[in-house]
Amino acid sequence: NAGVTQTPKFRVLKTGQSMTLLCAQDMNHEYMYWYRQDPGMGLRLIHYSVGEGTTAKGEVPDGYNVSRLKKQNFLLGLESAAPSQTSVYFCASATPISTRGPDTQYFGPGTRLTVL
Amino acid sequence: AQSVAQPEDQVNVAEGNPLTVKCTYSVSGNPYLFWYVQYPNRGLQFLLKYITGDNLVKGSYGFEAEFNKSQTSFHLKKPSALVSDSALYFCAVRDRGSTLGRLYFGRGTQLTVWP
Repeated sequence: NAGVTQTPKFRVLKTGQSMTLLCAQDMNHEYMYWYRQDPGMGLRLIHYSVGEGTTAKGEVPDGYNVSRLKKQNFLLGLESAAPSQTSVYFCASATPISTRGPDTQYFGPGTRLTVL
Repeated sequence: AQSVAQPEDQVNVAEGNPLTVKCTYSVSGNPYLFWYVQYPNRGLQFLLKYITGDNLVKGSYGFEAEFNKSQTSFHLKKPSALVSDSALYFCAVRDRGSTLGRLYFGRGTQLTVWP
């Protein structure tokens, strides 16, 4: 199993450009998450999904959109990139524990995005 | 509101000595607690978790953590540090009552083990 993979690994954008980050997992997990990591701030949740076709906002959703058309994929879109979106982006996935919600989250290797 | 505090930005320890990385938390209900490690230019790797039961949890690479409900702490420990343990460590908490499973992360503690 590859686990959680992210594409691309690195990207440089100019302000106003758009792009899509792809997260894929082969563990048949229901839950998927997008986080951003900034120095000294830990990880902050952008959007998440509790199953195919469903998405919801996290802590810092502004400027981002997501889609979960297939169970194994979770896409994060930036419609008009801004320098404040320069960050490292991590995707994670988890499987449910009966009715108690998701089990341990497993993370991808990250995408380093720079917006000039 | 849920929150996690890692009071030390950096911890330095000599190889072979015991190490402790501190974490305190605040949740509205009972917590699930996690430790993750991040090596340079890599994603987060799961180390261990507390769900219920024994307050001392053993995890990967010889790490363990002790859940202390009265002090709302979940400190990460290792009896004998290795240079290869040098990395960024994150504590995370989840409200047991939340079926959405949102994790709240601390800001991270940089552990440096010198030879």
